[in-house]
Amino acid sequence: EVQLVESGGDLVQPGGSLRLSCAASGFTFNSYAMSWVRQASGKGLEWVSGINHSGGSRYYADSVKGRFTISRDSSNNILYLQMKSLRAEDTALYYCAKARRFGESGIFDSWGQGTLVTVSS
Amino acid sequence: IQLTQSPSFLSASVGDRVTITCRASQGISDYLTWYQQKPGNPPKLLIYSASTLQSGVPSRFSGSGSGTEFTLTISSLQPEDFATYYCQQLNSYPFTFGPGTKVDIK
Repeated sequence: EVQLVESGGDLVQPGGSLRLSCAASGFTFNSYAMSWVRQASGKGLEWVSGINHSGGSRYYADSVKGRFTISRDSSNNILYLQMKSLRAEDTALYYCAKARRFGESGIFDSWGQGTLVTVSS
Repeated sequence: IQLTQSPSFLSASVGDRVTITCRASQGISDYLTWYQQKPGNPPKLLIYSASTLQSGVPSRFSGSGSGTEFTLTISSLQPEDFATYYCQQLNSYPFTFGPGTKVDIK
């Protein structure tokens, strides 16, 4: 059974940094692209960042480009999102999501439960 | 690529046929996915490639469209279908989601 467990969410001051983790199990992690998707309370979904199966290609939403960095550790089956220069508008529940199959990147068939990031002074 | 959905909210009864429309700001072929989200839960994949039903999803759900206009149809609304529905394009980065359509009980 596929499991994605996010962690690392916290209350952080504007301008601060945070690293999110997503521990993956139940599938061959290094065969699938992964993404982070966020959702502010009561709002819609926003794709944040994606990484291909090997980690060689990374993509970002314009709203986070230059501030967030996605990476993956295939030895330990963990997806990361390093966030810096955080803003109030980054406050959201952050989900990690798995691509449906090898070679695809934007169809997400498994999601974690999310980790909450709150940016506030 | 911007996605719009209509309606934003709809009130329907069990057994109703429901149609949600998603429009893209430019052509995206069939690179369109539909998700269902219930309160307190992550999204669930319903349909990909505009019209392919994800394994395990009931056949009352169907999708159609290509280019810039897409529809999600629920042929006979069931109690468990009351949720928010999102479309998402994967034609090009950055991927984008529509604003969502909330389906509520009449």
